[in-house]
Amino acid sequence: GQNIDQPTEMTATEGAIVQINCTYQTSGFNGLFWYQQHAGEAPTFLSYNVLDGLEEKGRFSSFLSRSKGYSYLLLKELQMKDSASYLCAVRALSGGYNKLIFGAGTRLAVHP
Amino acid sequence: EPEVTQTPSHQVTQMGQEVILRCVPISNHLYFYWYRQILGQKVEFLVSFYNNEISEKSEIFDDQFSVERPDGSNFTLKIRSTKLEDSAMYFCAMQQGREAFFGQGTRLTVV
Repeated sequence: GQNIDQPTEMTATEGAIVQINCTYQTSGFNGLFWYQQHAGEAPTFLSYNVLDGLEEKGRFSSFLSRSKGYSYLLLKELQMKDSASYLCAVRALSGGYNKLIFGAGTRLAVHP
Repeated sequence: EPEVTQTPSHQVTQMGQEVILRCVPISNHLYFYWYRQILGQKVEFLVSFYNNEISEKSEIFDDQFSVERPDGSNFTLKIRSTKLEDSAMYFCAMQQGREAFFGQGTRLTVV
């Protein structure tokens, strides 16, 4: 089966660092995405990992360990506008084609 | 970031009516996807479409759903006889290299 777990909610302070974890059990793993989604809007691409290690992109970094089925998204220098849901999604390869399987999302609240 | 345009942004329809949701990518891509998100729930895969054919579909994508690329550019999702539980945001997505980009979504409300 396919299963993706991430915390439901997190809170953090403006200017701080927050780490959002994601664990997954999927077949045909072909990469892991992180998306940001503000209420009522479409998911916005943040990062993609397919090999083990850390990918850094400005204030956002994403880490992947395939052997552990684990990823995290690290947000530095938090801003109020970072308050949103963060979606972990695994790209699963099936029959030669890809699809994204999403976790339920982590709702992050950044407060002053 | 490539732009994926969806129309309409919001559609209200009566139960049992047919709806067609449209997606227009800016550039030519072969891989398209439809996802839906019921209010307060997670994003769910519906169907993938490659080279003008369905490549994979989920258990949600039953006989009431169909996808087409009628004119080589627009990419449509049709729901033949809408049910109340079809109310959701419907997102079109396309894959470009390692990345997958979403349209802004169509909010479908079935009354």
